[in-house]
Parts: sequence; structure tokens; C-alpha cells
Amino acid sequence: AQKITQTQPGMFVQEKEAVTLDCTYDTSDPSYGLFWYKQPSSGEMIFLIYQGSYDQQNATEGRYSLNFQKARKSANLVISASQLGDSAMYFCAMRETTNFGNEKLTFGTGTRLTIIP
Amino acid sequence: DAGVIQSPRHEVTEMGQEVTLRCKPISGHNSLFWYRQTMMRGLELLIYFNNNVPIDDSGMPEDRFSAKMPNASFSTLKIQPSEPRDSAVYFCASSFLTPGQGKLTPGEKLFFGSGTQLSVL
Repeated sequence: AQKITQTQPGMFVQEKEAVTLDCTYDTSDPSYGLFWYKQPSSGEMIFLIYQGSYDQQNATEGRYSLNFQKARKSANLVISASQLGDSAMYFCAMRETTNFGNEKLTFGTGTRLTIIP
Repeated sequence: DAGVIQSPRHEVTEMGQEVTLRCKPISGHNSLFWYRQTMMRGLELLIYFNNNVPIDDSGMPEDRFSAKMPNASFSTLKIQPSEPRDSAVYFCASSFLTPGQGKLTPGEKLFFGSGTQLSVL
């Protein structure tokens, strides 16, 4: 079963506009964490932001914020005032507990964001 | 710190050949993850180690794939024999799991290497 769903394979956004990247998740664990990573064309994975399931407020990191709606099981990434350098693949990931009692990250299929000048 | 170091950056090989991918995690990290990225399947976790011990290898696609971590500073992912469908980008990542609990420290992030682009012809 798909644990992390990113329904937007690609998005085009005008520079300086805000953009929302969708992410929904499925888990029965009461304690979990949600992450967003950015992968530019160079290939490396860059951590952007984290939201814990018990966090009372939405996480923010500079121009990045996470719109966390627990009841809907969504954790959308919002990028304000988009820049050309934001063009990249964006992955949503969830921390989940394995059958062995350890934890691992499971990633969505990603959204390719292209910022148009 | 130099970050997670993977080698080679690119690998082109012929079907049937053995391929070995290498990874040096960040010093002090106690967990290491191997991921495979393809267009069709996205990022898939293949295997991960905690304190050099393989914890979960349920993502390893088949017996042709094997991974080792002989010490805290080195890991290999081997494919023997390789097939064209193995072509992908392979990422190594490291992190620090809370000792004794196997849990990612809240907010802890995975540090990824630059990946190895594997092409099997």
C-alpha cells in the first residue's frame, strides 16, 4: 500500500509566486514524522523541513513552510516567493516504524517543480 | 565534514558484469541507508544498517543484490550479475539513530550522498 502520495508529477510556477506541493500519507502509528527533501538537477538530496505528528504548530524554515493537517493526513509544502533556483524535484517522506521496531524513511514519488522567469 | 561520499559517480557496465557501489557515511553516524531511484518507482529503500548490522533488507529486490558494512566508515552495495533493469541512481544516506531505540531523533535528517548513476547495457 502506498504510504506517501504525491499527486502532482510536475508543476510550473511563475517566479515570485507562492507554490504548494501536495503530500498525503497513510499511517496507523500515533507518532510519526514528515519530511520534505529537494533534489536539484545535480542529484543530491537536500533536507528542507520536518514536522512531527505531535507538533502543535506548522513547521517553518525560511521560505519553506509545512501546511500540516493531521485529520486529513496531509503535509503540503509551501514555498513562498519562488525563485529560479527552486526548480527541482521535491520529495515528501514519512518516518515509519519497521517490523523490527526500528525506523526508516519512506519517500513519495516526487513532484518536479519548474519555476518560470 | 565532507558529507556522505559515494563512488563511483557514474558506472556503465555490460549485462552480466559485477557492479560494486561504495559509500562512506558521515563520521559519527550510526546508521546507513541504501536507496535506489528510478523514474517508475521513485526512491526505494533497499537496505539499512544500524551500528554496521543489517537491520532491514526487505527492499533488496533479489539475490543478485547484496550489501555489506564491514566497519562504521564503509559500505558496499554489490549487484552480481547486473541486468539492464538495474539501471538507476543509487543513493547512500547516513544518520544518527537514538542508541538502543533504533529511532530517528525527532527532526533528524538523512544526509545523502551524491548518488551513483548506474547504466547496465
